[in-house]
Amino acid sequence: NAGVMQNPRHLVRRRGQEARLRCSPMKGHSHVYWYRQLPEEGLKFMVYLQKENIIDESGMPKERFSAEFPKEGPSILRIQQVVRGDSAAYFCASSTRRDRKNIQYFGAGTRLSVL
Amino acid sequence: QQQVKQSPQSLIVQKGGISIINCAYENTAFDYFPWYQQFPGKGPALLIAIRPDVSEKKEGRFTISFNKSAKQFSLHIMDSQPGDSATYFCAGSTGGGNKLTFGTGTQLKVEL
Repeated sequence: NAGVMQNPRHLVRRRGQEARLRCSPMKGHSHVYWYRQLPEEGLKFMVYLQKENIIDESGMPKERFSAEFPKEGPSILRIQQVVRGDSAAYFCASSTRRDRKNIQYFGAGTRLSVL
Repeated sequence: QQQVKQSPQSLIVQKGGISIINCAYENTAFDYFPWYQQFPGKGPALLIAIRPDVSEKKEGRFTISFNKSAKQFSLHIMDSQPGDSATYFCAGSTGGGNKLTFGTGTQLKVEL
């Protein structure tokens, strides 16, 4: 049973370009969470999605960032017109929410570098 | 934003010793407190978790102690091993584990 798959693992973009980060949840998981980790800091929640729905986007910057989790295919975190401050590791987690534990399983992350 | 404060920022322990990491939270609505372990270049992995209706949970060499009145919880790693060297994050969440609010992490190094 494959874990949470994120790609690419590393992404380099120049200022003003778009970054697309992909996340395939674990088999059977329909809940996806995105977190951002800045150097030497903890993970910060960005957005929580179910299939075709955004449940909680309270951690998403108001501009340039968007996320989706379509009926078919991976969840996508999109960052438009990237700036140097967007350089970070972006982690995706998935869960089943079938019990009270709601364990979130994390992928290996995408490390975004903005030049 | 509701915070989870974690200390120390870094910790060096001798092999066989006890590693202790502390966290304090503000949001009294938190009902789930997991600890995650992260190795360099990897994603966080769930280590152990506790709910506020118990004061202690033990799994192997890892123990969580929870003090609801003080809004504090801690991770104890007994018989620490070099393979335990990693960054540890505490977290809290509400509603059965929606968004996780993470502490800032503790870099643990276990020396021979």
